[in-house]
Amino acid sequence: QKEVEQDPGPLSVPEGAIVSLNCTYSNSAFQYFMWYRQYSRKGPELLMYTYSSGNKEDGRFTAQVDKSSKYISLFIRDSQPSDSATYLCAMSPKAAGNKLTFGGGTRVLVKP
Amino acid sequence: GAVVSQHPSWVICKSGTSVKIECRSLDFQATTMFWYRQFPKQSLMLMATSNEGSKATYEQGVEKDKFLINHASLTLSTLTVTSAHPEDSSFYICSARDSAGTEVYEQYFGPGTRLTVT
Repeated sequence: QKEVEQDPGPLSVPEGAIVSLNCTYSNSAFQYFMWYRQYSRKGPELLMYTYSSGNKEDGRFTAQVDKSSKYISLFIRDSQPSDSATYLCAMSPKAAGNKLTFGGGTRVLVKP
Repeated sequence: GAVVSQHPSWVICKSGTSVKIECRSLDFQATTMFWYRQFPKQSLMLMATSNEGSKATYEQGVEKDKFLINHASLTLSTLTVTSAHPEDSSFYICSARDSAGTEVYEQYFGPGTRLTVT
């Protein structure tokens, strides 16, 4: 079993819809949770980070963490075609040389 | 700010030759850099952690003699794929941790290098 599980998709939504992404994890030592966006053949770009249970909002993005269920989510409101990309969750223990463990990524397609 | 570059962006080499990939932090110092490998439609797999002035730490299953890492300065780390074979064809991505940062998310990714071994 992988430490971090993420549905690979693809997830296809119409423009303006809410995109809902999630990851589950098994390592209770994970304390930091990040979401990255990766366009094809490009490096990942940090979208959101959090290290506590609950919600964190930044513009159209909301990150949600439920440590008791070992489940994290990312919501994208008012989705745009430019949001079409692969979204990766990443996690890290509080003290592990800042190594990140990534989920497999979910491919998202926002159709105009 | 926080820009990381990689060179080359794409390289094709013949089987048996060696290829060097550079990772540079352009506007910050990076004591630590990470090298990842990504196969098509798969996630990033950490290969090694590169520390300036010391030997790299390799993840389990990564051949240190095949993937040579040198981190000679606070802004440059190199990955050399020695005696490359077609199965080494992949997308190689580096990330650099801002030495002035204290948070785990303060590491920034390069644009990646696509290696094709023929």
